[in-house]
Amino acid sequence: QVQLQQSGPGLVKPSQTLSLTCAISGDSVSSNSAAWNWIRQSPSRGLEWLGGTYYRSTWYRNYASSVNGRITINADTSKNQFSLQLDSVTPEDTAMYYCARTGWGPTYDYWGQGSLVTVSS
Amino acid sequence: DIQMTQSPSSLSASVGDRVTITCRASESISTYLNWYQQKPGEAPKVLISAASSLQNGVPSRFTGSGSGTDFTLTITSLQPEDSATYYCQQSYSSPRFTFGQGTKLQIK
Repeated sequence: QVQLQQSGPGLVKPSQTLSLTCAISGDSVSSNSAAWNWIRQSPSRGLEWLGGTYYRSTWYRNYASSVNGRITINADTSKNQFSLQLDSVTPEDTAMYYCARTGWGPTYDYWGQGSLVTVSS
Repeated sequence: DIQMTQSPSSLSASVGDRVTITCRASESISTYLNWYQQKPGEAPKVLISAASSLQNGVPSRFTGSGSGTDFTLTITSLQPEDSATYYCQQSYSSPRFTFGQGTKLQIK
């Protein structure tokens, strides 16, 4: 059974960097058949895919245009996890953040528990 | 990006009723359409993939149909535990999957 466990601070000051980590069990971040994503949810923006990474003999990363330039997603194979960094945050980045696996379908078939991140001074 | 539009945004129904939620894509997505259920405090859970394929463990009262731009999720014999928000999501434009805005279903 795949499980995703999120960690990271729940409060970030404006202009600073939001950092979250998603630890994977039951699968590998280097899987050749999965992708690993960050998705956020807010009342104003709904469910919004932010970006993802996957390994197909080399590492690929894709980012949403809405956050491109501020976002970095990295995989750590030694810890079997992946991370999100979102720079220069504003209150509009306040949201519930989820990590999720793209699996068969393709669907987001496994999700982390969610991390509520508030951007406030 | 492909835009997904759901209707209605909310509905209320009684136990035993049949309800239908519609989802329209801004361009043809073949059958690359998934349905999710989200309950308060939980992450979304995939119910149906590829427009009509029921995921393991999902009750058979959930049915999906459609192709191209128009899709429906039908729930027959509504149960109290079906109270949730339902989202459609296109998986045609990989990796930029987009979601509908959600339909909140309340059980009277």
